[in-house]
Amino acid sequence: NAGVTQTPKFRVLKTGQSMTLLCAQDMNHEYMYWYRQDPGMGLRLIHYSVGEGTTAKGEVPDGYNVSRLKKQNFLLGLESAAPSQTSVYFCATRRGGKTQYFGPGTRLLVL
Amino acid sequence: GESVGLHLPTLSVQEGDNSIINCAYSNSASDYFIWYKQESGKGPQFIIDIRSNMDKRQGQRVTVLLNKTVKHLSLQIAATQPGDSAVYFCAETVQGAQKLVFGQGTRLTINP
Repeated sequence: NAGVTQTPKFRVLKTGQSMTLLCAQDMNHEYMYWYRQDPGMGLRLIHYSVGEGTTAKGEVPDGYNVSRLKKQNFLLGLESAAPSQTSVYFCATRRGGKTQYFGPGTRLLVL
Repeated sequence: GESVGLHLPTLSVQEGDNSIINCAYSNSASDYFIWYKQESGKGPQFIIDIRSNMDKRQGQRVTVLLNKTVKHLSLQIAATQPGDSAVYFCAETVQGAQKLVFGQGTRLTINP
């Protein structure tokens, strides 16, 4: 039982490149979330999903897209990376209660 | 807008002392609160939660207190240990909401 896993752990991109971050969970949770964490900014919600096939915008969705084709996976895409997207990205999941469980994070550096 | 914030961004305590981390919230409709611990290089980890119909909840070495009158939440850590060094976040949500609102975090450092 791995819980919440994130791939990759670290990535360096050049401005304009694209990439996809993968969040996978084996807890059969309905809800999944993508956050970014910047120094002094706390956790900010990018997008979230309340179930397979659904997605919704969070607090800072611009420049990102998401997909939830399978219940266990939540993908975060950057179509054209910008230096402002340098951050640590966290995925979280929850079942029916309020508590969210977080993955280990992906560190992204955009040059 | 509604927000969750923290009184102190950093807190230093002596090993063995008790730590108190504070959090203020402004949404009077919030009915559920969570404390997370985030160690360096890791994701946030659930510590303890409390519902608005409670004033106090205790876990192992941790206690959360909720004062709805002044919209204040605190996390007390008893006999602080080096392993307690981390950033602590409070989060709030309201009934029916799909999202949590996180505070900015307090860094707890332990002096030997």
